[in-house]
Amino acid sequence: TAGITQAPTSQILAAGRSMTLRCTQDMRHNAMYWYRQDLGLGLRLIHYSNTAGTTGKGEVPDGYSVSRANTDDFPLTLASAVPSQTSVYFCASSDSRSGGYTFGSGTRLTVV
Amino acid sequence: TQLLEQSPQFLSIQEGENLTVYCNSSSVFSSLQWYRQEPGEGPVLLVTVVTGGEVKKLKRLTFQFGDARKDSSLHITAAQPGDTGLYLCAGVGNYGQNFVFGPGTRLSVLP
Repeated sequence: TAGITQAPTSQILAAGRSMTLRCTQDMRHNAMYWYRQDLGLGLRLIHYSNTAGTTGKGEVPDGYSVSRANTDDFPLTLASAVPSQTSVYFCASSDSRSGGYTFGSGTRLTVV
Repeated sequence: TQLLEQSPQFLSIQEGENLTVYCNSSSVFSSLQWYRQEPGEGPVLLVTVVTGGEVKKLKRLTFQFGDARKDSSLHITAAQPGDTGLYLCAGVGNYGQNFVFGPGTRLSVLP
């Protein structure tokens, strides 16, 4: 089934450790995004990429980094996790023609 | 920062009832989208509206974009338990052409 694949589905991570959340799409969408979703705060944009080779900062980029080496993959890295990064992380992509976002199923991360 | 507010925050109704949820901002949006999110899943796009005053229908769901393109509403007729979920609105924001999401309305339709 075409769409976005995120891995892992869930993870418990010790504070101070690093982790990379994986995101792969098979729709050849140019733009990709990482959001975190927290109760009462909704979806907040962390980083985005309008096309392969470029990235940009969103609303809450601190503590996170991304890369976009090719069209399909957009990994999100936490260099040194802190408890405030406990959240559900969603990767999304969009076809610039329609603008509608396709979301993955999310990664539930708990930093302890 | 362009902010979106949604109301009500929570809504619990009986099957067969009608309901309306709202999305408001002090900013003008060039387009606005509605999504539905079910537990454990990512949001799924329902509709995109781009023209002030535009009305779109999707089966029992009716979406309206305000004339000034600052607000939108979603009306559900004869709600069903399958309509249960978190309804999110999103408008084009300040970070390039990325959408800004509202906090959502959590709808529960009881059988």
